[in-house]
Amino acid sequence: DAGVTQSPTHLIKTRGQQVTLRCSPKSGHDTVSWYQQALGQGPQFIFQYYEEEERQRGNFPDRFSGHQFPNYSSELNVNALLLGDSALYLCASSLGVGGAFFGQGTRLTVV
Amino acid sequence: GNSVTQMEGPVTLSEEAFLTINCTYTATGYPSLFWYVQYPGEGLQLLLKATKADDKGSNKGFEATYRKETTSFHLEKGSVQVSDSAVYFCALSNAGGTSYGKLTFGQGTILTVHP
Repeated sequence: DAGVTQSPTHLIKTRGQQVTLRCSPKSGHDTVSWYQQALGQGPQFIFQYYEEEERQRGNFPDRFSGHQFPNYSSELNVNALLLGDSALYLCASSLGVGGAFFGQGTRLTVV
Repeated sequence: GNSVTQMEGPVTLSEEAFLTINCTYTATGYPSLFWYVQYPGEGLQLLLKATKADDKGSNKGFEATYRKETTSFHLEKGSVQVSDSAVYFCALSNAGGTSYGKLTFGQGTILTVHP
């Protein structure tokens, strides 16, 4: 079992650009959540996908959008990047409410 | 809304010392409680969990007891090792209602263990 895998691991983008991050959930998991972790902070919930629909959303602007595919994998898209979007983006998968399993994260740097 | 408060860090201990990291929470209903650990340059790993009052979660020598009366979930370990050096996050999730397992995290506590 490969667990939760994310790609890419590191990314550098210029302010104003758009970025897409990808996540493959742990085998058998049907729910994918995305979190943003700023340096020295705890992760903040962005949104959650279940059955290819956004089920819940945190306090993030519409520049942050996502998608879930029929195989449960997911993408996080961020448009019009700001310097403040620099962070570690974590994907977590779960089945029910038993606790989430996290990927290694994608380190996004906006310059 | 839900919130989690962890003790201020960083925490520095000598090997074999006793560890306590305090965590208190505010939540509606009956949340599930978790401790996650993050090693340098890595994502979060689930360390232990408890889903109802008085439950004790345990793993790798770490323990935490769900105390509803004090809304706390303190992490303890009797004898820490250098390899336990990491950032520890307390988190909660509402099992019911409309939260669908969304995790709310504390700010994290950095633990450094010296030989």
